[in-house]
Amino acid sequence: NAGVTQTPKFQVLKTGQSMTLQCAQDMNHNSMYWYRQDPGMGLRLIYYSASEGTTDKGEVPNGYNVSRLNKREFSLRLESAAPSQTSVYFCASIRSGTGGKTQYFGPGTRLLVL
Amino acid sequence: AQKITQTQPGMFVQEKEAVTLDCTYDTSDPSYGLFWYKQPSSGEMIFLIYQGSYDQQNATEGRYSLNFQKARKSANLVISASQLGDSAMYFCAMREGRSNFGNEKLTFGTGTRLTIIP
Repeated sequence: NAGVTQTPKFQVLKTGQSMTLQCAQDMNHNSMYWYRQDPGMGLRLIYYSASEGTTDKGEVPNGYNVSRLNKREFSLRLESAAPSQTSVYFCASIRSGTGGKTQYFGPGTRLLVL
Repeated sequence: AQKITQTQPGMFVQEKEAVTLDCTYDTSDPSYGLFWYKQPSSGEMIFLIYQGSYDQQNATEGRYSLNFQKARKSANLVISASQLGDSAMYFCAMREGRSNFGNEKLTFGTGTRLTIIP
């Protein structure tokens, strides 16, 4: 049982390049979330998926797209990376109906956009 | 307006002392949940404790307790008998609304960096 896994762990991009951050969970959770963490700030929600086949915008969705490929996987895509997207990205999953007490976070992906 | 406010950017505490990390929140929803997470230097987010808005008792988890004062909208984390391993960033977070299918979005504060001094 690996919990929530994220790939890659670290990535450097040039402005304008695209990439996809991968997230997978093996806990059979319905809901999955993408957050970003900038220096000196807490995590902010980018997108979330309440269930397979549904996605919704969070607080800071601009410049990102997501895909809930199946119940296990939730990917985040940067179509044209910008320096402002330099951040640490966390994926999280939760078993719905538990009051949020069982929200599990992945280890994070550090992204640097030059 | 900030939904979660953590006013202590950094704290230094002597080992074995108790420490209180402050958190105030703002919501008009009667149903909500409050969380504390620990983020060590390695970067992972570790869930510590949860308090529901309708919970009558303050939550406790081992050395962690949550001092929930609903009227003041505060949810302070208390760590008893601090240890060197408690040195980390601590984040307060809130879920607004009832917990239901897909509604577990969290809003985070800016965090408090706690350093335990030997």
